[in-house]
Amino acid sequence: NAGVTQTPKFQVLKTGQSMTLQCAQDMNHNSMYWYRQDPGMGLRLIYYSASEGTTDKGEVPNGYNVSRLNKREFSLRLESAAPSQTSVYFCASSEPTGANTEAFFGQGTRLTVV
Amino acid sequence: GDSVTQMEGPVTLSEEACLTINCTYTATGYPSLFWYVQYPGEGLQLLLKATKADDKGSNKGFEATYRKETTSFHLEKGSVQVSDSAVYFCALISPYNFNKFYFGSGTKLNVKP
Repeated sequence: NAGVTQTPKFQVLKTGQSMTLQCAQDMNHNSMYWYRQDPGMGLRLIYYSASEGTTDKGEVPNGYNVSRLNKREFSLRLESAAPSQTSVYFCASSEPTGANTEAFFGQGTRLTVV
Repeated sequence: GDSVTQMEGPVTLSEEACLTINCTYTATGYPSLFWYVQYPGEGLQLLLKATKADDKGSNKGFEATYRKETTSFHLEKGSVQVSDSAVYFCALISPYNFNKFYFGSGTKLNVKP
């Protein structure tokens, strides 16, 4: 099973460039998430999507946009990259059915903005 | 609001030593509690979970008990191995919104041979 697949795994951008991080899940989950991971900061939620066609802001949405293209795919776009967006980005998915809900994560995208 | 606090690392242990990583939480109601592990260069994966008070989650020799009275979910292992070197995250999910996960800041464990 592929689970949650993120592309690319690594990317270097120049300040001001744009790019889209792709995420797809094959578990038929309704909820999908984008997090960023910075040293000493743990995981911070950027955006999430509770179902196809809906998106909501998390803790740190500024500088990002998202699209829930369909139930499988949830993309994260940086319109004008800044060095402060250098981070490791994780996509996750879950099926919020109750107390046993758990999140499944992709392998991450390591983004460097120079 | 809901939150998770876990001990700062890094934690450095010798092989076969005992491990405890502290985790406390703040939440309304009875959240579900999780420990996730992140091995170098990989994403997070679920290590264990507990969904109600006094439940004990266990996996791969790791254990954690859901303590409502102390709002804690400490991770323990009796004898660590070099292969346990990773970052460990405590997390909770609210019973009022199963879309909301709250993660601690992570604790890096280094196990020396």
